Amino acid sequence: AQSVSQHNHHVILSEAASLELGCNYSYGGTVNLFWYVQYPGQHLQLLLKYFSGDPLVKGIKGFEAEFIKSKFSFNLRKPSVQWSDTAEYFCAVFRWGYNKLIFGAGTRLAVHP
Amino acid sequence: NAGVMQNPRHLVRRRGQEARLRCSPMKGHSHVYWYRQLPEEGLKFMVYLQKENIIDESGMPKERFSAEFPKEGPSILRIQQVVRGDSAAYFCASSPPNTDNNEQFFGPGTRLTVL
Repeated sequence: AQSVSQHNHHVILSEAASLELGCNYSYGGTVNLFWYVQYPGQHLQLLLKYFSGDPLVKGIKGFEAEFIKSKFSFNLRKPSVQWSDTAEYFCAVFRWGYNKLIFGAGTRLAVHP
Repeated sequence: NAGVMQNPRHLVRRRGQEARLRCSPMKGHSHVYWYRQLPEEGLKFMVYLQKENIIDESGMPKERFSAEFPKEGPSILRIQQVVRGDSAAYFCASSPPNTDNNEQFFGPGTRLTVL
């Protein structure tokens, strides 16, 4: 079935560790890609997005993601996490002509001081 | 510029009651989307509306759920005769019209608890 897959449901890191969260999708055609973050008790906020151009996109708070078209992947990275990065992270795909975002199941990140 | 607003933030209903969730899009946005987040799951698309029109309701359950976005006022997601399985967080998002930027801006959500 066509889907958006996030490989890790729970990730636990210590502060200053590097982070990489995987996201793969299985849709063909033109897509736009997003990473959203949901801090505890808060609403979804956009971290970064890819529409076209440079496949390495930079977002807020030191996050970046790389679009690899051949692998249908859009992995999220941060070189050094902080305790304040504790949140749930969602990858989402917008398929042109379908008018909706398709979300992955989310990855809960816990960063310990 | 206020963001997407949803109310109530928390709603408790007993089985069989009706739930009405409201969403006011960002100023200038005419497209509204509703998503549902069940516990331990990602967001699932429910319905996409423009003013006075339902464009895509492919994610809506066939019964008890309805949505509208009138010419004036907020978008309403209505759930009739709620059941325990309707307990979830319901998020509304909006986007501007006629743009190549299909970024959606999310509201804070309404957490529905059915007792």
